[in-house]
Parts: sequence; C-alpha cells; structure tokens
Amino acid sequence: DAGVIQSPRHEVTEMGQEVTLRCKPISGHNSLFWYRQTMMRGLELLIYFNNNVPIDDSGMPEDRFSAKMPNASFSTLKIQPSEPRDSAVYFCASSSGQGYTDTQYFGPGTRLTVL
Amino acid sequence: DQQVKQNSPSLSVQEGRISILNCDYTNSMFDYFLWYKKYPAEGPTFLISISSIKDKNEDGRFTVFLNKSAKHLSLHIVPSQPGDSAVYFCAASAWDDKIIFGKGTRLHILP
Repeated sequence: DAGVIQSPRHEVTEMGQEVTLRCKPISGHNSLFWYRQTMMRGLELLIYFNNNVPIDDSGMPEDRFSAKMPNASFSTLKIQPSEPRDSAVYFCASSSGQGYTDTQYFGPGTRLTVL
Repeated sequence: DQQVKQNSPSLSVQEGRISILNCDYTNSMFDYFLWYKKYPAEGPTFLISISSIKDKNEDGRFTVFLNKSAKHLSLHIVPSQPGDSAVYFCAASAWDDKIIFGKGTRLHILP
C-alpha cells in the first residue's frame, strides 16, 4: 500500500501568491484530515472530511484558506493570498472510520515557506 | 491555552534502559488518549492508545499508563532501542471530538 501521498513535499513562494497543496488518501479510507504544524502551536487540525463532505472546518484559520475533496481519492488545501505566517508543515491524514479516533495515517507532509 | 502538555522538549536515554515520556492534560472531558511517533521528514505514526476506562495498555515494548485523578499519562518503552529515537506526540480526544496534540518530546537513544 502506497500510504497517504502529498505533493509537493516542499513549496517556497512569495507573499501574496496562491498555494495549492494536494493529498491522495489511502484507497478505501473515507475520512480525510488536514493538519498544520508550527513551532508555536504544534500540530492542529484544520479540516475534517468524511465521505468527501466537510464535517468540521472550525480549525481553518481564515477565509484565505479553503479545502476541497472532489472525490474519494483527492483533496486540496488552498491558501490565497499566502502570508509569511502561513509558513508551516501541512499534513494530510486519512482513516477508514467515521470520526476522529479511528487510527489516522499521516502523509509525509508539505513544508511551506512563504517569503 | 494548551490542553495537552508535554513539558520535556527532549529526553536522552541509554540503549537498553527504560524511556519514560510524560504528558499532562487539563480537559477532564478527554476520554481517549494516543501516542504518535514521528521521524524526520515523515508524518506521525500511531503507536498506542488507551481509553479512560483503563489505566494501562501494553503493546510489546510500549506501555501507556493513565492516571485520571492526576490528569497524567506516560509512555514507557522497555528496553529502549536506537530506532526509538524520534519525536513522540501525546494526544487526546473528548467524545470522539477532534484530537488535540501536545507539542512533542524528542527522544534520543544513546549507544
């Protein structure tokens, strides 16, 4: 099994540019999570999808952030416009259950640097 | 307002000895606790969990202890091996709500 796939692994962009992060969950998993890891705040949930439907987006920091899951095998997290404080590692995770406590399998993350 | 606290940013332990990683929480509604392990340039990997109805859960070399009255849990690794060098995240959830992670403890296993 390929595991959760994220792309790109690294992204460097300039302030004001649009950034799109991509995630392919493990085949057959019906829950998908986007997390952000920073030194200050640690690992935080941004949004949770179940069966391609956003269930909890309370962690999305502001309107500059948006996430979509057009089908069971693909999700995107978009930041527009990006700001230096968005610099972080963004993780995607998937699970086979409905809810938060089924084992979540994390991708390798995307390290985003906004200059 | 950190609900899950790992007060030791790092810990060094001799190979073969016991590693004890500690975690404190403030939310009395938490009823499910997890430990994740993370290697550099990889995502976190689930290690072990415990429900609040138990006070101990064991899986091979890894044991998690839960002290609800003290709002404290710990992860014991016995014996410690070089491959255990990683960052360990404590995490908790209330009523199948989102998982709250601590900031992690970096464990170094010394030869």
